[in-house]
Amino acid sequence: DAGITQSPRHKVTETGTPVTLRCHQTENHRYMYWYRQDPGHGLRLIHYSYGVKDTDKGEVSDGYSVSRSKTEDFLLTLESATSSQTSVYFCAISDTSTYNSPLHFGNGTRLTVT
Amino acid sequence: GDSVTQMEGPVTLSEEAFLTINCTYTATGYPSLFWYVQYPGEGLQLLLKATKADDKGSNKGFEATYRKETTSFHLEKGSVQVSDSAVYFCALHRDNKLSFGAGTTVTVRA
Repeated sequence: DAGITQSPRHKVTETGTPVTLRCHQTENHRYMYWYRQDPGHGLRLIHYSYGVKDTDKGEVSDGYSVSRSKTEDFLLTLESATSSQTSVYFCAISDTSTYNSPLHFGNGTRLTVT
Repeated sequence: GDSVTQMEGPVTLSEEAFLTINCTYTATGYPSLFWYVQYPGEGLQLLLKATKADDKGSNKGFEATYRKETTSFHLEKGSVQVSDSAVYFCALHRDNKLSFGAGTTVTVRA
């Protein structure tokens, strides 16, 4: 298995509070991604990174920000959590962006916003 | 924009039954196509892939053929086992990103 650690694995927070999720990789892969998984929607891309300090938005980026100060860490921040952000969040990594390169996923963080 | 449509589940089968999960896509150009599998409590794992028309991806008894003329990438397995119970996702790769279908939950009964 690719060395990907997501923390925390579970979190319950209140509406309006800031939340930061962490993804740590030991593979030295260039590309890192944050997805959210919701019933009926599959996985939707929130943000991704193609290098240190290089990030871009995905299809559902509103209300989220990211930072990547080191190759191994990719942080996802919910500035002011809302109930619509209750979801399971997955980090993924890839060593290249070529058309046939697979993503390797972490085990997810289950976030509940009350 | 790009999109992937999968057959809705859940799908419940008996052991040794034949499994088909339909997947169609909408995209310009020639994306690569993937099937991922998610076991309970885990992240997604790559099951198989195909990078051009008429390619057949295969792994663990699963197969899927990239059909450009029908924009499809249906997943098949001839004889399922209880251990195949999982959620299956079809996905396409373009512009450094993967777009996923909604997922199909498969349950195999002994």
